[in-house]
Amino acid sequence: GAVVSQHPSWVICKSGTSVKIECRSLDFQATTMFWYRQFPKQSLMLMATSNEGSKATYEQGVEKDKFLINHASLTLSTLTVTSAHPEDSSFYICSARSPFQEQFFGPGTRLTVL
Amino acid sequence: AQKVTQAQTEISVVEKEDVTLDCVYETRDTTYYLFWYKQPPSGELVFLIRRNSFDEQNEISGRYSWNFQKSTSSFNFTITASQVVDSAVYFCALSEARGSSNTGKLIFGQGTTLQVKP
Repeated sequence: GAVVSQHPSWVICKSGTSVKIECRSLDFQATTMFWYRQFPKQSLMLMATSNEGSKATYEQGVEKDKFLINHASLTLSTLTVTSAHPEDSSFYICSARSPFQEQFFGPGTRLTVL
Repeated sequence: AQKVTQAQTEISVVEKEDVTLDCVYETRDTTYYLFWYKQPPSGELVFLIRRNSFDEQNEISGRYSWNFQKSTSSFNFTITASQVVDSAVYFCALSEARGSSNTGKLIFGQGTTLQVKP
């Protein structure tokens, strides 16, 4: 299957700082990317959908000013957690797909906010 | 609203036992897709299967098999002769469709943690 990478795989930051997570499709052009969040021992919850060149669509309850998503190219989407707080500590997973294709998941990024 | 329920939070079996993971879904769409994913301790999701709502045929892939029944809105997953390497969290998911296309937005169940003991 296609490969999706995420960087970094883990990050620790201080409260109040911003953290950027990258999601890349390595061998295909991803017109759509999804961002999910998973708290410990819980399920994955969709945060937002981003289409290349368009503004992201956020799910209900997700603050768009706190979780900035940019999908500037067909192979890269970024999620920036602004002014991170301990409650933002979570496992963030992206997925990518091209039209009419299966979606492929990245390996995830574990964020810890101190 | 769409919803996926995996009532079994944790299952523990001894190696070589068969185990079935249950999944019940709710949707008003006539076209939809169902998935199973495996999440080992590393965290990366491993795709296992996708089924569209018009294909009720059961599927077998090696030790894995899936039973899709629209009448009961269930999509159960059975592992035959379980192995220690099968230990993981398993998620059932539902994707909405627009027309004949899969939108890709996945709604996950709560997950079932499977522990296979040697």
